[in-house]
Amino acid sequence: EAGVAQSPRYKIIEKRQSVAFWCNPISGHATLYWYQQILGQGPKLLIQFQNNGVVDDSQLPKDRFSAERLKGVDSTLKIQPAKLEDSAVYLCASSLEGSFPIGEQFFGPGTRLTVL
Amino acid sequence: DAKTTQPNSMESNEEEPVHLPCNHSTISGTDYIHWYRQLPSQGPEYVIHGLTSNVNNRMASLAIAEDRKSSTLILHRATLRDAAVYYCILRDPYNAGNMLTFGGGTRLMVKP
Repeated sequence: EAGVAQSPRYKIIEKRQSVAFWCNPISGHATLYWYQQILGQGPKLLIQFQNNGVVDDSQLPKDRFSAERLKGVDSTLKIQPAKLEDSAVYLCASSLEGSFPIGEQFFGPGTRLTVL
Repeated sequence: DAKTTQPNSMESNEEEPVHLPCNHSTISGTDYIHWYRQLPSQGPEYVIHGLTSNVNNRMASLAIAEDRKSSTLILHRATLRDAAVYYCILRDPYNAGNMLTFGGGTRLMVKP
């Protein structure tokens, strides 16, 4: 079974530039998550989708971050404009709808963003 | 959200058992205890979960205290590949949905 795919794996940009990350979840997984992981910390949830609707985006900095999940499959996360503090690994995860109460999440390898 | 407390780091020798502790004194009756681990340069992966009873699977065992205020993840024979950050997470599927709130975790170092 193919896992969660993310691209690119690495990205280096200068501050105030824009960047976009792509995620393809495991086939059939209705729920998709984006996490931000700053070096030395645990992942922090940015946004959760159920199919193509947003379930939780309370920790997404909406002045510069946006995310969409068209057709309930692939998703993109965009940062515009980037700041130095956005340097982090951006992780995408997915889970099966109806996997209550376990709700095991499957993570991709992440995209490491460096903002100079 | 109920919080967990884990040691920042632990060391183990290869092929010896490892006991990774987690304190969760404010756990609620509907909180499940989940463990994930994150190998270097990878995303986290699910290890095990439990509610009240001890649990075993192919990766590890989970021992839950009778009062549920603490739990221990047990790796029966550590290998170099088990070197990772281990996260103990409480999740209430009835209130928090599928949300996972990660703390700092325990960095496990395995010596050959």
